[in-house]
Amino acid sequence: DAKTTQPNSMESNEEEPVHLPCNHSTISGTDYIHWYRQLPSQGPEYVIHGLTSNVNNRMASLAIAEDRKSSTLILHRATLRDAAVYYCILRDEFPGQGAQKLVFGQGTRLTINP
Amino acid sequence: DSGVTQTPKHLITATGQRVTLRCSPRSGDLSVYWYQQSLDQGLQFLIQYYNGEERAKGNILERFSAQQFPDLHSELNLSSLELGDSALYFCASSVDWGANSPLHFGNGTRLTVT
Repeated sequence: DAKTTQPNSMESNEEEPVHLPCNHSTISGTDYIHWYRQLPSQGPEYVIHGLTSNVNNRMASLAIAEDRKSSTLILHRATLRDAAVYYCILRDEFPGQGAQKLVFGQGTRLTINP
Repeated sequence: DSGVTQTPKHLITATGQRVTLRCSPRSGDLSVYWYQQSLDQGLQFLIQYYNGEERAKGNILERFSAQQFPDLHSELNLSSLELGDSALYFCASSVDWGANSPLHFGNGTRLTVT
């Protein structure tokens, strides 16, 4: 599986935008970029995903670099509820043996200051 | 609410015992995934099923087994339990097994082996 690199932790203030970076320099053309987050004592929660173009939904925006070797998850106006571990994951559309494992790394622990 | 239901929420048992964890996927989802999360290992992929058939296997111990039934619910069986099996076990579901399908996670079963 192609790997991603994220900062271990980030800190931001409430009501400010947050940009969470992810590097994936070995990404293949068929890898989708997925973001999940895990709030304390809960299961992971799907945030957003994309292939080549930038994506927006009610939770966040995903900005994908033109060469696809990096991406940024954007939370437009952070709230205390956004404090969580954020995971950037690659999923290959054609992984060879149909194995869509969704492998989690260590993620970025986001702290939001009131 | 993700729509994925896991039971029981908590389970306390002794070493050497056997337990069964149950997962009901979101309505319409055909694929089920099992993950283990312990403090020192992060989220580890165990196994995936799609419409009753095993699709992918991760680092699942031989003492562990799973199946997906015709009604699409899934069970994870853990036997000869050891102290190190204490962890959170998450189930997730998705519409299909493709990379373009987000996973939706339940809130997990916390297993404590004493």
